[in-house]
Amino acid sequence: RKEVEQDPGPFNVPEGATVAFNCTYSNSASQSFFWYRQDCRKEPKLLMSVYSSGNEDGRFTAQLNRASQYISLLIRDSKLSDSATYLCVVNVDFNKFYFGSGTKLNVKP
Amino acid sequence: GAGVSQTPSNKVTEKGKYVELRCDPISGHTALYWYRQSLGQGPEFLIYFQGTGAADDSGLPNDRFFAVRPEGSVSTLKIQRTERGDSAVYLCASSLNHPGQGVGPNYGYTFGSGTRLTVV
Repeated sequence: RKEVEQDPGPFNVPEGATVAFNCTYSNSASQSFFWYRQDCRKEPKLLMSVYSSGNEDGRFTAQLNRASQYISLLIRDSKLSDSATYLCVVNVDFNKFYFGSGTKLNVKP
Repeated sequence: GAGVSQTPSNKVTEKGKYVELRCDPISGHTALYWYRQSLGQGPEFLIYFQGTGAADDSGLPNDRFFAVRPEGSVSTLKIQRTERGDSAVYLCASSLNHPGQGVGPNYGYTFGSGTRLTVV
């Protein structure tokens, strides 16, 4: 079983739509959680950390559900520039980071 | 430099050859990671250095893969007897190591742009 699982998508949405992705993780001892964004043929870049109480950064909202072991990312008012692959990342132990396979988002005009 | 630098950006090699991939981390970052990303997959952990020593090499797929970081800065990932299945993007990331708190995205964890390795 993979440490982190994500729906690969693609999610095809119109501009202005709200879209949500989920990610599940298998290790209940996981300590910290992140969403990364990866553009085609580019390196992953940190989008936001995910905190237990949930957190928001502009149009982006991240939530953590430890009981069910999943993380979510909500994007409101989607822009064309949001088109990318979104990677869920889970930190287990001190130094080990596990990446999901990513969810592809296509925002269309 | 300002970011994590990886060279070469692209490498094409013949099956069975030896290759070296280089990572130059952000100055002052003591933690360094190597990942491998295959098409349609997320980055897969290979090895983690803290300073000069490999603190965790559990992700290296077999003994054809080896990495060094002799002076605690630049790291080289070495692949012997390359196979077509080794074709992937090899990503390096570096991070501060905050005493008592850790490493990672909250401590400047940054990826390089990767080396795309193609074994033909």
